[in-house]
Amino acid sequence: DQQVKQNSPSLSVQEGRISILNCDYTNSMFDYFLWYKKYPAEGPTFLISISSIKDKNEDGRFTVFLNKSAKHLSLHIVPSQPGDSAVYFCAASAIGSNYKLTFGKGTLLTVNP
Amino acid sequence: DADVTQTPRNRITKTGKRIMLECSQTKGHDRMYWYRQDPGLGLRLIYYSFDVKDINKGEISDGYSVSRQAQAKFSLSLESAIPNQTALYFCATSVGTGGDQPQHFGDGTRLSIL
Repeated sequence: DQQVKQNSPSLSVQEGRISILNCDYTNSMFDYFLWYKKYPAEGPTFLISISSIKDKNEDGRFTVFLNKSAKHLSLHIVPSQPGDSAVYFCAASAIGSNYKLTFGKGTLLTVNP
Repeated sequence: DADVTQTPRNRITKTGKRIMLECSQTKGHDRMYWYRQDPGLGLRLIYYSFDVKDINKGEISDGYSVSRQAQAKFSLSLESAIPNQTALYFCATSVGTGGDQPQHFGDGTRLSIL
């Protein structure tokens, strides 16, 4: 039973445009949501997070939106750059499970020059 | 030097062999984790440790064991490797409690079991 779902295995956008990566979850106990970026042959690196008490968090070109009623979050990258090409993982955690992370399957983002 | 170091980076071995993957960190974090990633799948938690005396099973612990030798070291063992344990293995650390405390990952160990 997959609690964190990233239904788009891949996404391709043009440089300078907006990239929108989506994530859905089923466990209403999740308190925090995090996005990680992963380049080939490297480990995932933390990108941005959001608490369940917020609906938006912004850090430079990256913004995460959370819609709790829909159990949906999205990561917006504006403007997209070729260096953003990577696999993006959505992850969620809950205080009841000691904040262990549950990951989605990832979305491969390709930003074309 | 990397904050979270995994050794070896690549390993090819045969079914039935005992394998140990090692992880060391210089971040001073109490919490350490082992994950595996399979193609097309996200990361799945194998074991985690909140301090030297605390070891917990994760989502997929069968066939694996761990040892927390020190705050900075957390090793993962496959007692008798089988082909379906072929995967990419990641070690991670985090500073402690708090859902907004991100985990920091090593660069992974690619393990192939023939």
